[in-house]
Amino acid sequence: GEDVEQSLFLSVREGDSSVINCTYTDSSSTYLYWYKQEPGAGLQLLTYIFSNMDMKQDQRLTVLLNKKDKHLSLRIADTQTGDSAIYFCAEIPGNTGKLIFGQGTTLQVKP
Amino acid sequence: DVKVTQSSRYLVKRTGEKVFLECVQDMDHENMFWYRQDPGLGLRLIYFSYDVKMKEKGDIPEGYSVSREKKERFSLILESASTNQTSMYLCASSWTVNTEAFFGQGTRLTVV
Repeated sequence: GEDVEQSLFLSVREGDSSVINCTYTDSSSTYLYWYKQEPGAGLQLLTYIFSNMDMKQDQRLTVLLNKKDKHLSLRIADTQTGDSAIYFCAEIPGNTGKLIFGQGTTLQVKP
Repeated sequence: DVKVTQSSRYLVKRTGEKVFLECVQDMDHENMFWYRQDPGLGLRLIYFSYDVKMKEKGDIPEGYSVSREKKERFSLILESASTNQTSMYLCASSWTVNTEAFFGQGTRLTVV
């Protein structure tokens, strides 16, 4: 079945690294995604990783993919107060077109 | 810039009313989606459409229907609104499978 799981809350201090974790069940997804939702706004694509990659780096963001364990993580280096938001991981199982999201992780950044 | 516009930011409706939520995208996207967002549950897919007049059930279609008569417009219909349908509703669109989804601002629906 299709299921994407995340922890609900993470709190870090400004300047620390944040690591947000996600597990998924469908190994046939071609891409895995991270979306960000700021307060009062819709979701925006933050980054994505192709399923044949282990790692992708984009400025302060690092995405790690462990296909064996079906585990995805998003690391934000030097976390800033502006990074406070809800972060969702997402997949499209079996290229069905169904974009499935996790529960979302609320990241709180303390000054 | 891609724009996905939802017709209302806030709606209050009475139990039993028929409710229409409208979504319009301006980039000729093939795929359109309706989600509801509830605290602790994330986004749950209600319906999606990959072409005009085509629709597929998502994970929670009960109590909802959709209409896609034109490519740019995807409507979510609550046939008889109930209090457990009080939620934030998000519409999204994408070019095709595996491409970035663009979201509207959301409609916060309260059913009283």
